[in-house]
Amino acid sequence: EAQVTQNPRYLITVTGKKLTVTCSQNMNHEYMSWYRQDPGLGLRQIYYSMNVEATDKGDVPEGYKVSRKEKRNFPLILESPSPNQTSLYFCASSTTGGWGNYGYTFGSGTRLTVV
Amino acid sequence: GNSVTQMEGPVTLSEEAFLTINCTYTATGYPSLFWYVQYPGEGLQLLLKATKADDKGSNKGFEATYRKETTSFHLEKGSVQVSDSAVYFCALLDILTGGGNKLTFGTGTQLKVEL
Repeated sequence: EAQVTQNPRYLITVTGKKLTVTCSQNMNHEYMSWYRQDPGLGLRQIYYSMNVEATDKGDVPEGYKVSRKEKRNFPLILESPSPNQTSLYFCASSTTGGWGNYGYTFGSGTRLTVV
Repeated sequence: GNSVTQMEGPVTLSEEAFLTINCTYTATGYPSLFWYVQYPGEGLQLLLKATKADDKGSNKGFEATYRKETTSFHLEKGSVQVSDSAVYFCALLDILTGGGNKLTFGTGTQLKVEL
């Protein structure tokens, strides 16, 4: 089944403790992206990647890092999480063919709470 | 920058009622437009799309028409079911400098359908 898999689904952590949220897709998509979803704000892009070793900042990159060493994986790293990073996070992927017009495939989400 | 505005929710309807969720956008050029649906506890799923003016996207009884004169992409369904209860997001596709792309989302509209 074609899918984007995120782990973990739920995570509660303390301020300052480094964490990684993993994202993997099995569709051979070149393009991957991370979004955060907050009430009243919709979804906002954090980082995106056009292909292996090609990443760039989205609208809200502060406090986050990403890497793209393999085509299928795009982990999101919070080096020193803070409470304002408490949110619902989604990973998405798409083919670059059609300039994104085929739409994105989203993972099921990771609900992160930083206390 | 580009933006999407959706009607506030929640929208509560009785089963078999007619649904309209308003969406308007501000953009340079003519971006592709999308509706995504998020069922409770799940990620976003592509519901329908339109890639140029006057296109009508349709899926599962939902439809939306790309109106460049009114910069709108309203979602409609003739007869809703309880299973349509979800959050609906309108989005436009931004093409970024360097070839990347991102979806710019509205804030989402929660739909509740009651028996």
